[in-house]
Amino acid sequence: DAGVIQSPRHEVTEMGQEVTLRCKPISGHDYLFWYRQTMMRGLELLIYFNNNVPIDDSGMPEDRFSAKMPNASFSTLKIQPSEPRDSAVYFCASRKTGSTLYGYTFGSGTRLTVV
Amino acid sequence: EDQVTQSPEALRLQEGESSSLNCSYTVSGLRGLFWYRQDPGKGPEFLFTLYSAGEEKEKERLKATLTKKESFLHITAPKPEDSATYLCAVQARKAAGNKLTFGGGTRVLVKP
Repeated sequence: DAGVIQSPRHEVTEMGQEVTLRCKPISGHDYLFWYRQTMMRGLELLIYFNNNVPIDDSGMPEDRFSAKMPNASFSTLKIQPSEPRDSAVYFCASRKTGSTLYGYTFGSGTRLTVV
Repeated sequence: EDQVTQSPEALRLQEGESSSLNCSYTVSGLRGLFWYRQDPGKGPEFLFTLYSAGEEKEKERLKATLTKKESFLHITAPKPEDSATYLCAVQARKAAGNKLTFGGGTRVLVKP
């Protein structure tokens, strides 16, 4: 099992540009979560999906952020337009219903720098 | 609102010097408390889940305990490879989708 795969690992972009982060969850996992990690705020949940349907997006900071999950093996998080305060590490995590005992499995993250 | 506070923020230990990390939480009905380890440049890695006060879990040099208000992660005779950030998270019974709320973490550095 390759685990949760995120791309790119690093992204540097200029303010105002569109940024797309990608995630491939573990096969068979029906929940997918997007988290953001910063020194000031720690890990914050942005949005999560169940069976490809967005369930709770209350953590999405602004309308500039959007997320999609077109199928069970792929999700994107898009920021348009990007701002310097969006600089953070973005993590994707997945889990399978009934597997609470083992928590989530996280990807290695995408470090986003907006200059 | 669920809250998790971890202390200390950072901990420097000599190899073999045992210590404990604290995780204080407030949640309306605890479903589970989770400990994760995070290495630089990587995502959090699952360590333990605790469900009820009095429960304990062990893995190598790590032991996690749980009370009604806090959890401790005890590191016994640590080695340099135990250096990492340790994250605590809670899951409320009412949390839809089993959402986790994380604390700020404790950065542990073990010197040889």
